[in-house]
Amino acid sequence: GQNIDQPTEMTATEGAIVQINCTYQTSGFNGLFWYQQHAGEAPTFLSYNVLDGLEEKGRFSSFLSRSKGYSYLLLKELQMKDSASYLCAVRETTDSWGKLQFGAGTQVVVTP
Amino acid sequence: EAQVTQNPRYLITVTGKKLTVTCSQNMNHEYMSWYRQDPGLGLRQIYYSMNVEVTDKGDVPEGYKVSRKEKRNFPLILESPSPNQTSLYFCASSFRQNSGNTIYFGEGSWLTVV
Repeated sequence: GQNIDQPTEMTATEGAIVQINCTYQTSGFNGLFWYQQHAGEAPTFLSYNVLDGLEEKGRFSSFLSRSKGYSYLLLKELQMKDSASYLCAVRETTDSWGKLQFGAGTQVVVTP
Repeated sequence: EAQVTQNPRYLITVTGKKLTVTCSQNMNHEYMSWYRQDPGLGLRQIYYSMNVEVTDKGDVPEGYKVSRKEKRNFPLILESPSPNQTSLYFCASSFRQNSGNTIYFGEGSWLTVV
């Protein structure tokens, strides 16, 4: 099976930067996803990393180190609407291209 | 508009009364899946389907059934619901691509079993 760990909750101030870490232990690896989920709503796709390095997309960036089993999601210039849960998910093999294993999520609270 | 549609969105039912949660997607996706989400546990996969007539168990399949008779539909069946199946359920779909594909989620179905 897989083990995906991320902090339960983080609090930051509007305009600040927050980094959400995700570590994983899997028998295989074929990509890591980050999703944003507002309370009671469906997860929405933020980013995808399959190679080592940083992927930047506007205020959000995601980093992957496959050798360390580690990823982070960086949220810059935080806005109140960024208050949400952020889910790290790993796809284990090429055969399970649609099957994602999710972490429990990190609740980010943005304060004024 | 590309979407995954689930019904019902909200349901309160009694223990043992069979129910079906429907899921339909209009994107011609091969892959469909059901997840349940519980506090502190994140999203856990129940069943998935890689194409018509092809289904397989996810991580928590006990107490659930699925079918995939048509490409667009993937209903979740609870033959005899129990209170531990009270949860938020999501249907999801995607293309069968090896990299970079996103998974589209339905809006969720809140199910309470009393």
